[in-house]
Amino acid sequence: EVQLVESGGGLVQPGGSLRLSCAASGFTFSNYAMSWVRQAPGKGLEWVSAISGGGDTPYYGDSVKGRITISRDNSKNTLYLQMNSLRAEDTAVYYCAKVAVPIVYGRFDYWGQGTLVTVSS
Amino acid sequence: DFQMTQSPSSLSASVGDRVTITCRASQGISNYLAWYQQKPGKGPKLLIYAASTLQSGVPSRFSGSGSGTDFTLTISSLQPEDVATYYCQKYNSAPRLFTFGPGTRVDIK
Repeated sequence: EVQLVESGGGLVQPGGSLRLSCAASGFTFSNYAMSWVRQAPGKGLEWVSAISGGGDTPYYGDSVKGRITISRDNSKNTLYLQMNSLRAEDTAVYYCAKVAVPIVYGRFDYWGQGTLVTVSS
Repeated sequence: DFQMTQSPSSLSASVGDRVTITCRASQGISNYLAWYQQKPGKGPKLLIYAASTLQSGVPSRFSGSGSGTDFTLTISSLQPEDVATYYCQKYNSAPRLFTFGPGTRVDIK
């Protein structure tokens, strides 16, 4: 059974940093691209970032480019999202999602339950 | 600027009704279109991909159609467990890697 478990969310002050993790199990992690999607309170889904299975090709959404770094450790079956210079508008539930194919351009066939990031003073 | 739109933004229907949600892309995306269902407090669930392919384990009352810029998600007979928000998503390489529609909230009348 595929499982994706996010962690690392919490309350952070504007301008601060946070690192999110997503522990994956139930599939060969290195064979699939992974992605982060966020959802602000009461709002829709916004794609944040994606990374290829090998970890050599990251992609970022326009709203986070330059402030966020996606990475993965295939030996630990874990996906990461390093977030810096956080703003109030980054407040959201952050979901980890598995891409259904090895390349980044694919649908998201499994999602985690999300971790809440709140940026506030 | 590339956009995905959905209509309606919300709907209320009776159990057993046929429900149709429309998604439109501002530029052609071939059939690189997925539909997701999200229930309150939960992560989204993939229903349909490649515009019309049913994800394994999804009830057959869900179906998708369309290509290019106009797409449709249909629930042939609405059930109480289908109360959720539904999102379309394009997932080809350009323009923009991934873009979600704004969502359609479905309730029971």
